[in-house]
Formats: sequence, structure tokens, C-alpha cells
Amino acid sequence: AAGVIQSPRHLIKEKRETATLKCYPIPRHDTVYWYQQGPGQDPQFLISFYEKMQSDKGSIPDRFSAQQFSDYHSELNMSSLELGDSALYFCASSLTGGNTIYFGEGSWLTVV
Amino acid sequence: AQSVTQLDSQVPVFEEAPVELRCNYSSSVSVYLFWYVQYPNQGLQLLLKYLSGSTLVKGINGFEAEFNKSQTSFHLRKPSVHISDTAEYFCAVSDSSQGGSEKLVFGKGTKLTVNP
Repeated sequence: AAGVIQSPRHLIKEKRETATLKCYPIPRHDTVYWYQQGPGQDPQFLISFYEKMQSDKGSIPDRFSAQQFSDYHSELNMSSLELGDSALYFCASSLTGGNTIYFGEGSWLTVV
Repeated sequence: AQSVTQLDSQVPVFEEAPVELRCNYSSSVSVYLFWYVQYPNQGLQLLLKYLSGSTLVKGINGFEAEFNKSQTSFHLRKPSVHISDTAEYFCAVSDSSQGGSEKLVFGKGTKLTVNP
């Protein structure tokens, strides 16, 4: 079965640069979530979208933005990168009423 | 708002021994409960979930968990672990009152290490 696809899987950026992560949800899933997992930390919710509209917002820095497109894929844009942004970024998707959130393999961002 | 407490940050056990990973939650609304596993340098894989009905839920890889509403707990168990079960285990909760598609709140994780 198709899973949540994230790209790129690994990304190295310098401080103050910009990075964009992409997420392709499971087909027919209408909700996308972004999570950030720092080294040795639990995943922290950043933001979610339902039917291309922002549905919830967590601890997402103002330097980050995200959107969901008409084909339901989502992008997380991170600007003015800081060393502390180095983390594993997960995208997840679900279907309304489906009760379960499925995660992608994650995108490793390293800021140097 | 919900919160999750995983009481043990690390649990070392010997192969073929039983294991219990503890999880307690706090919520002012009804919840769904989940256990996810994360193998080294990999993503999050759903182990099992409690949505409603029977309080004992069985998941993949021989794991099971029991929902205890009075104790607000959802402990994960396996009667006999294997080396391959070495991983980080996350308990998570979501608000069920909205009918689904609510974000997950994770615990801090429990690192299970199975030794030969």
C-alpha cells in the first residue's frame, strides 16, 4: 500500500539559508501534519492542513511556513535557518474520521 | 489539552524476557491512544491503537496494550522480546471528541534495549 512520501530524505544547509521539504500524503487522505523531532526528543507538532486550509498550529517558528496544494501535497518552507533547526521532520497524513495518523520516513535536516 | 507521560526513559531487558513500557495520559476530553515504534534512523511505525471497545488491543510484532480509563494508563507489553525489538517507543494521544484528524501529542519516548 502507498505510504506517505517525503523528500528529500536528507538535506544539509548552512545557517541563514532556506530549505523546503515536500510531503505527498497517502492517496485520498485529506489532512497533512508536520512534526519536528530534535535529537533524542519526542516529535513536536508544527502545523496541520485539512483540505488545503490550515487546521491547527503548534510550535512552529515564524521563520517557517507551510501550505497544502490542490493535489494535497504539502511543503514546509524554512528560512533563516539556525543550528537548532537541525532535526528530523516528519510529515503525516490521515483521512477525516479515519482516526489514525500515518507517518512518512522523515526528512533529515542538518544545519551547519 | 492532552499530555502523555512515559515513566521510563530507558528499559534494558534480556532477550526472551517479558517487558512492560508504561504510559499515562492526561486529558479533559475523550481520547484515542497509540503506540508508535521508531527503529534507529527510521520513521515512526504504528504498533497499535485504542479507539473504543475492548480495552485490550493487540498490535504488530506480538505487542499488546491495555487501556485503563480509571488509571488513565495505556501500558505496552510483550511476553517475550527479541533483539530486533530494540527501538524507541512512543506513546501518543489525540482528541477523539472531534471525530478524528486531530494532531497527536507524544510522550518523551522509552528506549527499549534488548540484550542477548
